[in-house]
Amino acid sequence: GENVEQHPSTLSVQEGDSAVIKCTYSDSASNYFPWYKQELGKGPQLIIDIRSNVGEKKDQRIAVTLNKTAKHFSLHITETQPEDSAVYFCAASGVPASKLTFGTGTRLQVTL
Amino acid sequence: EAGVAQSPRYKIIEKRQSVAFWCNPISGHATLYWYQQILGQGPKLLIQFQNNGVVDDSQLPKDRFSAERLKGVDSTLKIQPAKLEDSAVYLCASSLASGGNTIYFGEGSWLTVV
Repeated sequence: GENVEQHPSTLSVQEGDSAVIKCTYSDSASNYFPWYKQELGKGPQLIIDIRSNVGEKKDQRIAVTLNKTAKHFSLHITETQPEDSAVYFCAASGVPASKLTFGTGTRLQVTL
Repeated sequence: EAGVAQSPRYKIIEKRQSVAFWCNPISGHATLYWYQQILGQGPKLLIQFQNNGVVDDSQLPKDRFSAERLKGVDSTLKIQPAKLEDSAVYLCASSLASGGNTIYFGEGSWLTVV
């Protein structure tokens, strides 16, 4: 089955700096890669996703890149703000609505 | 648009007791998932339904866990008897059956087994 590794496990940045979280996956058949943000006491919330026919996708301060050859994808957050502090999970799955395999999470802390 | 609804939000039970969690997916979503999230880990799929049929229950501990989705809408996840290691957040999620893969999660049901 699919295996997703995520690094780093914790990340502390100053407000305004950029944050990068990286994930690798094992199943070359995976073709859908979402990122979720989870705040304390809440369920995961989708923030951005990318499909295998696209190399990069951007939504305001958030971007995701995908390298299918190397089987890794990354989340980039620019101009970080305190409200970006949360746990971020990457995930991978095939189509159609197949199960998501999650990474182990990255706790991002944005300090003033 | 209403999100995925779950209840109860919090439950504390003693080991060997039983517990049930309820989920109402986003309207029109044919696919429903139950995930288990142990503290400090990513969610792990327990069971996936397509309408009222099971698509994947390979990681469901069937000796103690059961789930049903009788009318293809609401779902119930039951644990009987509970063990200490079942302490976790149980997340329900849903997605459209066709088209995209976007999966939306509920707020979760927090279970503590003492």
